[in-house]
Amino acid sequence: GAVVSQHPSRVICKSGTSVKIECRSLDFQATTMFWYRQFPKQSLMLMATSNEGSKATYEQGVEKDKFLINHASLTLSTLTVTSAHPEDSSFYICSARGQGMTYGYTFGSGTRLTVV
Amino acid sequence: RKEVEQDPGPFNVPEGATVAFNCTYSNSASQSFFWYRQDCRKEPKLLMSVYSSGNEDGRFTAQLNRASQYISLLIRDSKLSDSATYLCGYGNNRLAFGKGNQVVVIP
Repeated sequence: GAVVSQHPSRVICKSGTSVKIECRSLDFQATTMFWYRQFPKQSLMLMATSNEGSKATYEQGVEKDKFLINHASLTLSTLTVTSAHPEDSSFYICSARGQGMTYGYTFGSGTRLTVV
Repeated sequence: RKEVEQDPGPFNVPEGATVAFNCTYSNSASQSFFWYRQDCRKEPKLLMSVYSSGNEDGRFTAQLNRASQYISLLIRDSKLSDSATYLCGYGNNRLAFGKGNQVVVIP
């Protein structure tokens, strides 16, 4: 149980375009999902906490107008990188935790974004 | 002070040896602690949750020291397949991570 699916796994886009990344909990309802970014050889940096039916909570220094998060259902959260720049190239990973789950957070397989 | 601090290493460990490392955290109110394993260019996978009484899973032992605000991970009888980065995660309603401890097990 506790499977999180993330798509796409890899995307290349042009500067100035927007990219949407999906994170789905397949066998549980995820009341909360988290979005992380990881640059090469760096730690996972929490970008925002996504709560179903309410606005996301962004970490300090993360532009909410650039990284749009939508958590419209208990099984789906999306992250849209708007007006992408080469410096947005990174590994984006989501994680989810269902209500009552005590055994940690499950991660999606990540999305490697390259902006050219 | 950073939320979570880990010595990134690398920790070069001879096969069969024991390695241990700590992770310090700043928020004393945190209730949930975890160790994750991350292989290169892959997502983190939960290794074990960390409980106040300490817990063991095979060759892996995790401890929580609330007084000194750190958690530890000990790996016994290291295998080549243990080579990875070990991330400590903590938080209540949000999960923050340290930089990770890179372990390289050497034949």
